[in-house]
Amino acid sequence: GESVGLHLPTLSVQEGDNSIINCAYSNSASDYFIWYKQESGKGPQFIIDIRSNMDKRQGQRVTVLLNKTVKHLSLQIAATQPGDSAVYFCAENMRGAGSARQLTFGSGTQLTVLP
Amino acid sequence: KAGVTQTPRYLIKTRGQQVTLSCSPISGHRSVSWYQQTPGQGLQFLFEYFSETQRNKGNFPGRFSGRQFSNSRSEMNVSTLELGDSALYLCASSLEGIRSGELFFGEGSRLTVL
Repeated sequence: GESVGLHLPTLSVQEGDNSIINCAYSNSASDYFIWYKQESGKGPQFIIDIRSNMDKRQGQRVTVLLNKTVKHLSLQIAATQPGDSAVYFCAENMRGAGSARQLTFGSGTQLTVLP
Repeated sequence: KAGVTQTPRYLIKTRGQQVTLSCSPISGHRSVSWYQQTPGQGLQFLFEYFSETQRNKGNFPGRFSGRQFSNSRSEMNVSTLELGDSALYLCASSLEGIRSGELFFGEGSRLTVL
């Protein structure tokens, strides 16, 4: 199976509320994690990333939390807006053979923002 | 500046045929990586090219191949198409490659195999 997975396939939140999207990973060798957003008919868009030497990183309205003990990653979106409706993917980035990097994506969570 | 451009956007092929997809990265980006997206398997990494060299390869059969030209444009080819190859094929460009994570994706080429 996939080494990166999401707990919930869908999430509905009220406009203005905070959203939390979760992701579990299984490879302890992964040292870099990224969140992407994919709107319908478009390619994924980079949101925020975090390296394994950090446990929290904040961006504009988004925060990523990393818990290496339980191999868990979360994306928090503050004051969720209709434009945040999309599929969100987590991805883990680890060093493979030699200096090559491998990128593994989670299955995605569909976030729907309700008016 | 212009984003990542993928052509064609949509195409239909039959089993046994081959297909070539093209990706023009953002100007100045030397890395192009390719991904297959399906409802069942999600987003899966195919390969990455950097300055015309394949730097990394995912777990796909040899029917899937790619190359990168001196202007950083990239093509991927799938030979002897199978029904299961129906998917959205995405390419992404970046300055440093997938090691940086900040990838800029195109809108994809949707391939249907009949």
